[in-house]
Amino acid sequence: SYVLTQPPSVSVAPGKTARITCGGNNIGSKGVHWYQQKSGQAPTLVMFHNTDRPSGIPERFSGSNSGNMATLTITRVEAGDEADFYCQVRDSSSDYVFFGGGTKLTVL
Amino acid sequence: EVQLVESGGGLVEPGGSVRLPCAASGFTFSHVWMSWVRQAPGKGLEWVGRIKGETDGGTTDYAAPVKGRFTISRDDSKNMLYLQMNSLKTEDTAVYYCTTESPYSSSLDNWGQGTLVTVSS
Repeated sequence: SYVLTQPPSVSVAPGKTARITCGGNNIGSKGVHWYQQKSGQAPTLVMFHNTDRPSGIPERFSGSNSGNMATLTITRVEAGDEADFYCQVRDSSSDYVFFGGGTKLTVL
Repeated sequence: EVQLVESGGGLVEPGGSVRLPCAASGFTFSHVWMSWVRQAPGKGLEWVGRIKGETDGGTTDYAAPVKGRFTISRDDSKNMLYLQMNSLKTEDTAVYYCTTESPYSSSLDNWGQGTLVTVSS
């Protein structure tokens, strides 16, 4: 088992920068992926392999991963960014997929 | 355009069984790893298991809570993925999503809209 720890909630004013963290043992050695889930919808991939954005995801979204912490950063936050965000890794020893508990991003 | 459409959800009694199909289109299905992910009401995402593509042997992996009760299979001739769920428990109540999984990055790139399974008497 591999535990990923996310803060339950992050609040940010429109136009400011939101940082959502994902902690795990030596997570910097793994590829971390991030999903956004808006209310009532299925999750969508917003960042893969730590720093890569799928097509259609704004440049305002960026990622980093080092040591025991990965971070999803959203600059110039908009009301439409409000959602639950989940980090995810695949453990190389078991091949199992693990998710963080999720972070609710609130735009004030 | 990649499309994944789950169906088959509904109300099932504890101890019962249900099979969830997922219809895939817009990509070469037989080569792609497919995963199931579930989300209990008001809770986070939980990986259920996967089936690898034919070039990787089509083998399966399951999360501990469902191992021995759930079976993932695929029919590449029909572009269909299945989740057979047996010996269902109330804690299996969730929305079940089928997803594509990249064997290279391990990301779950595409998701269906999900189907709700409620296990209750």
